[in-house]
Amino acid sequence: EIVLTQSPGTLSLSPGERATLSCRASQSVSSNYLAWYQQKPGQAPRLLIYGASSRATGIPDRFSGSGSGTDFTLIISRLEPEDFAVYYCQQYGTSPTFGQGTKVEIK
Amino acid sequence: QVQLVESGGGVVQPGRSLRLSCAASRFTFRSYAIHWVRQAPGKGLEWVAVISSDGNNEYYAESVKGRFTISRDNSKNTLYLQMNSLRPEDTAMYYCARGGSSGWFFDYWGQGTLVTVSS
Repeated sequence: EIVLTQSPGTLSLSPGERATLSCRASQSVSSNYLAWYQQKPGQAPRLLIYGASSRATGIPDRFSGSGSGTDFTLIISRLEPEDFAVYYCQQYGTSPTFGQGTKVEIK
Repeated sequence: QVQLVESGGGVVQPGRSLRLSCAASRFTFRSYAIHWVRQAPGKGLEWVAVISSDGNNEYYAESVKGRFTISRDNSKNTLYLQMNSLRPEDTAMYYCARGGSSGWFFDYWGQGTLVTVSS
C-alpha cells in the first residue's frame, strides 16, 4: 500500500495569499496517477486535479498541480474566501489511497 | 450535471447487514466504473470498492474484503453495496463516486449516506 503524507497539517493564510500544499508518497506513484480534492464541512469532496497537473472540469486556474515520482504539490495562487477547506491528495497508481488532509484556514 | 444519490444508511448492530444504493442520472451509467469511498466521522477518506462498467470486475480494500460486495444494475442505473458482518469501525459516511476516464480517481461524488454500527 502506498502511504501518502500531506504537509502541513494546517495552513493559516489570508485571502489573496498563495497556498502551497505538499503530498509525499512512500513509493513512486506510477504514471503520476495523483489527484487532489477539496472538501468543505458537510459536503462531499470535489475533484480539483488529476494526473498530477490536469485541472478537472470547471476548476479555476488559480489551482495548479505539479510533481512526479514521490513528491507532489498543489498551489492555490491567490486564496479566495471559498477556498478555505480541507484538501486531500489521492494516488491511483495502485489500490487507491488518500493522504490525511491539509486544512487551509483563515488567518 | 452528473447526479449520484445514495440511500440505505442507518443505525445497525455489530454483526448485522445493510445494503446501500446509489442512483445515477444525467450520464451514461453503463460506460463508467463506479466506486464506494467512506469517511469516518471527523476522519479522512478511505477507498472501499470499485466495480467495472460492465459489472464483471470488482476490487475491494483489504479492510472490507470478504464482508462487502459491490454490484450494479445497468438497466436501473443503480449501484449497490452489500455490507455484512458489520463492525463499529465501519461507521462512516459512504459516498458513491464516478470513476475518472483515465484512472481510478473520482470525478463526481454523491452527497453520502451515513452508516452507524453500534449496539
